[in-house]
Amino acid sequence: DVKVTQSSRYLVKRTGEKVFLECVQDMDHENMFWYRQDPGLGLRLIYFSYDVKMKEKGDIPEGYSVSREKKERFSLILESASTNQTSMYLCASGEGLADYYEQYFGPGTRLTVT
Amino acid sequence: DAKTTQPNSMESNEEEPVHLPCNHSTISGTDYIHWYRQLPSQGPEYVIHGLTSNVNNRMASLAIAEDRKSSTLILHRATLRDAAVYYCILRDGDSGGSNYKLTFGKGTLLTVNP
Repeated sequence: DVKVTQSSRYLVKRTGEKVFLECVQDMDHENMFWYRQDPGLGLRLIYFSYDVKMKEKGDIPEGYSVSREKKERFSLILESASTNQTSMYLCASGEGLADYYEQYFGPGTRLTVT
Repeated sequence: DAKTTQPNSMESNEEEPVHLPCNHSTISGTDYIHWYRQLPSQGPEYVIHGLTSNVNNRMASLAIAEDRKSSTLILHRATLRDAAVYYCILRDGDSGGSNYKLTFGKGTLLTVNP
């Protein structure tokens, strides 16, 4: 079974702090994604990566950056956390980008910024 | 983007089959139909997907109408662990390269009674 793990289930940070969210997948997938999920807004793509050191912006990249130094690991960085970044963050991985590929999600990190 | 319509909620009894409907009357010929589910406090989980023919896997079956304007996810014997929000998603095979992201609507909240 595909396993996607995220470094924390719950995280509380203060406004202005730099926040690192880490994601690791064990299926040798080329592609990894970071989404955030908010009530009433559904799932929104922040960034994705299709190869080591390669990244593409999603729909809401502002205030975030990412890093992919190794194939299995994809990190999301909040350079200066703000209260509007309080959300559930979900990492996913997938074998391909085409529409017939599924994505496998981690358990999520619920981040609260105070 | 082609849209889907699902009932807000459904209820089932344990050990009974469950049929979760999804309408997608504006589906195009290249759209794949994907189903994901999200258990409480968990990340989404891939369930099944198909294009034209009915599909079966260890989790569920997907029945696709001949005109493809609707589909039904079938859980053959519901268990308490199947209680979740079920999302029906169309992934656009002709969206000019942006088909890698998943867009979840509101989904159907399935309650399973013991």
